[in-house]
Amino acid sequence: AQSVTQPDIHITVSEGASLELRCNYSYGATPYLFWYVQSPGQGLQLLLKYFSGDTLVQGIKGFEAEFKRSQSSFNLRKPSVHWSDAAEYFCAVAGSGGYQKVTFGTGTKLQVIP
Amino acid sequence: GAGVSQTPSNKVTEKGKYVELRCDPISGHTALYWYRQSLGQGPEFLIYFQGTGAADDSGLPNDRFFAVRPEGSVSTLKIQRTERGDSAVYLCASSRIAGGTGELFFGEGSRLTVL
Repeated sequence: AQSVTQPDIHITVSEGASLELRCNYSYGATPYLFWYVQSPGQGLQLLLKYFSGDTLVQGIKGFEAEFKRSQSSFNLRKPSVHWSDAAEYFCAVAGSGGYQKVTFGTGTKLQVIP
Repeated sequence: GAGVSQTPSNKVTEKGKYVELRCDPISGHTALYWYRQSLGQGPEFLIYFQGTGAADDSGLPNDRFFAVRPEGSVSTLKIQRTERGDSAVYLCASSRIAGGTGELFFGEGSRLTVL
């Protein structure tokens, strides 16, 4: 069965600093990988996704993520964090080929301080 | 509407009561998912519809939970004999593409509190 681990429950960064949120997945073949963001009072929104090809994927709001098969990781990065990035971030995995449900991690809550 | 709509946004009920939660997906989206999110946790998969049929209901915790989508659009999640452990935010998502490869568009959720 597929699974996702987000080892950091809570991260605090200063506005303007760089950000990296960790995600490790477990799946027997090449997975589909996603990052979603959940802001207070809003539904989950897709930031970016990896299906195949270039292992560095660009998303909305200046986010990017890199798929590293050897490390079973899909870490999310942003070079300069804005106060509006404060939210909860979820990594998710789905199997490739036919129907596969999307399995989410437990999330990382990001706090941005001035 | 433009997005996924879920009603009610909040529901408080007593232990043992019956509850229905409604999801109105984005028009034209054939795939519909229900997830449950408990405090401090990520969304937990419950059930997936492709059209009118439940293609995967492996996440339903027990037979008190049931979901329908009779016309391939609106879906209702039904919980019988509610328990305090059912308290959570129930999320609905729809997707234009079937099978988990498409972007999931989520509603804001229905917060269920069982007293």
